Amino acid sequence: DAGVIQSPRHEVTEMGQEVTLRCKPISGHDYLFWYRQTMMRGLELLIYFNNNVPIDDSGMPEDRFSAKMPNASFSTLKIQPSEPRDSAVYFCASSLQKGGATFGSGTRLTVV
Amino acid sequence: QKEVEQNSGPLSVPEGAIASLNCTYSDRGSQSFFWYRQYSGKSPELIMSIYSNGDKEDGRFTAQLNKASQYVSLLIRDSQPSDSATYLCAASYSSASKIIFGSGTRLSIRP
Repeated sequence: DAGVIQSPRHEVTEMGQEVTLRCKPISGHDYLFWYRQTMMRGLELLIYFNNNVPIDDSGMPEDRFSAKMPNASFSTLKIQPSEPRDSAVYFCASSLQKGGATFGSGTRLTVV
Repeated sequence: QKEVEQNSGPLSVPEGAIASLNCTYSDRGSQSFFWYRQYSGKSPELIMSIYSNGDKEDGRFTAQLNKASQYVSLLIRDSQPSDSATYLCAASYSSASKIIFGSGTRLSIRP
């Protein structure tokens, strides 16, 4: 299995621009999670999906953040407009039922 | 109040000794618990899952769960320099499957 695949690995963008992060979960997994990791706040859960349906988006920091999962093999996290404080590593993870989640390699986002 | 608490460390342990990592959680509804290892610049890697009270062993790793005390621990026997990493404790609630992480404990194994 190729594992959870995230793209891009690195993204540098200017403040105010739209950023789209992509994720392909492990085939057959029914849960998908988006996390953000910073030194100050650690690993924060932003949103998670079950069978492509968003279950809890209470961790999404602002309306500038949105996430979609149009099918079982693809999800996006969009930030529009981006701000310097959004700079972080964004992880996508997937799991089967209520087991532990497998993480992707992450996207390091820098907003200048 | 943070839902999953860990001592941030760093915890320094001599090579060959037992490393003991601890974690407490606030929600009694939590039923699934996980330990992840994260090397610097890498993504978290699942190393142990535990769902019921008691001990669970896997190689050099032992996870311990005490639901009455809301306490989870990870023991690493015969610690190796390659075990130096940040260890993240996580809990999942029974009413949902959201997985919440603690802030992690940095472990350093000194030769």
